[in-house]
Amino acid sequence: HSALTQPASVSGSPGQSITISCTGTTSDVGGYESVSWYQQRQGKAPELIIFEVNSRPSGVSQRFSGSKSGNTASLTISGLRAEDEADFYCSSYTSENTYVFGSGTKVTVL
Amino acid sequence: QLQMQESGPGLVKASGTLSLTCSVYGTPIRSESYYWGWVRQPPGKGLEWIGNVFYNENGHYDPSLESRVTISVDWSRNQFSLRLNSVTAADTAVYYCTRDFWSGYYRRPLEDWGQGILVTVAS
Repeated sequence: HSALTQPASVSGSPGQSITISCTGTTSDVGGYESVSWYQQRQGKAPELIIFEVNSRPSGVSQRFSGSKSGNTASLTISGLRAEDEADFYCSSYTSENTYVFGSGTKVTVL
Repeated sequence: QLQMQESGPGLVKASGTLSLTCSVYGTPIRSESYYWGWVRQPPGKGLEWIGNVFYNENGHYDPSLESRVTISVDWSRNQFSLRLNSVTAADTAVYYCTRDFWSGYYRRPLEDWGQGILVTVAS
């Protein structure tokens, strides 16, 4: 499976909402309700923030929300804060019983 | 409190074998609730899923690496390992060990991560 397609960068001002897209195929994003999102701060290991398209693990801010339509999943960050600046990756389960990551999106808070 | 710690050589010769171990503390790895796996990240690049194992199943691997990779488990030491054969400079990356939670109904993929270990392949 090829990497899922994400925009290279997204930016927004504090308090704004931003959305990151993640486009795959019917063999991954479109075929399963198993899309996850990860936040990776500089020099740190990634952290799971969304699983199964729109579920949040315990302790993750409600400002993070996920959705999916067809072969494209989306992560929305509302009430953008300086601390949200990081790289974000989507991931999907695939028809080959594997996982594939997105290309990654750098979020900048202006 | 779960802790996962990668260990192994930070430098591997090209055409050789990369071998890493993940030591797990705070929970038994012999469990029907978890998948244990590896993800890597080349310097300055994105994440790459390598594969995982479940306690009573064979490993699942990324197709691009499947011919070269093995993930194995040592139940007695509460550790699992990664072996990657015939390495090249393209295998230079930070390697993370990971844990998925499986409820029997839903899954939280890559919920827990080690801190990562940089492995450089040099000629």
